Amino acid sequence: DAGITQSPRYKITETGRQVTLMCHQTWSHSYMFWYRQDLGHGLRLIYYSAAADITDKGEVPDGYVVSRSKTENFPLTLESATRSQTSVYFCASSSQGAVTEAFFGQGTRLTVV
Amino acid sequence: AQSVAQPEDQVNVAEGNPLTVKCTYSVSGNPYLFWYVQYPNRGLQFLLKYITGDNLVKGSYGFEAEFNKSQTSFHLKKPSALVSDSALYFCAVRDQTGANNLFFGTGTRLTVIP
Repeated sequence: DAGITQSPRYKITETGRQVTLMCHQTWSHSYMFWYRQDLGHGLRLIYYSAAADITDKGEVPDGYVVSRSKTENFPLTLESATRSQTSVYFCASSSQGAVTEAFFGQGTRLTVV
Repeated sequence: AQSVAQPEDQVNVAEGNPLTVKCTYSVSGNPYLFWYVQYPNRGLQFLLKYITGDNLVKGSYGFEAEFNKSQTSFHLKKPSALVSDSALYFCAVRDQTGANNLFFGTGTRLTVIP
């Protein structure tokens, strides 16, 4: 089925560990995004990608790394997790960036203990 | 820099009554504006967008939004609220620095009371 899927849905990790959140879309959309959702802040952009091998920082990139070797995948890595990175993470894709509708995954709830 | 503000964290409305969820924006130039809805434990879903043209934009599930340039507002409306409309609503504006992404407001929780 076409869509955008995130894995895992829930993750608990310890401070200092590396953790990778996965995102996969089946539409061949050019643009992909990672957001974090926190109470009182709404959604904030972490990183985005306009195409394979092209990534750029968003509003809150510190502590995160992304890669996009294939159009359909856009993993997000927390290099050394901190408690402040406890959040709900959403991946999204769109065909033409912010001009067209973005499709969101169901989110990954990450808890750093 | 561009920004959006959603002045109400919470909006309560009785079923069958009209609803309004407010959004104001700040951009230089012409704005690209969006509304998204988030149901519990789900990702965001697109409702509607304004890029150009008619100030009244119609979207999914009977929602519409009115673009008002003089008041820099883009309020979301629906003539008759349903209990199933209860959700978190986000207004967003396109980044105008050249990056092709969206800035979201903090969200408004809409509760429709039966």
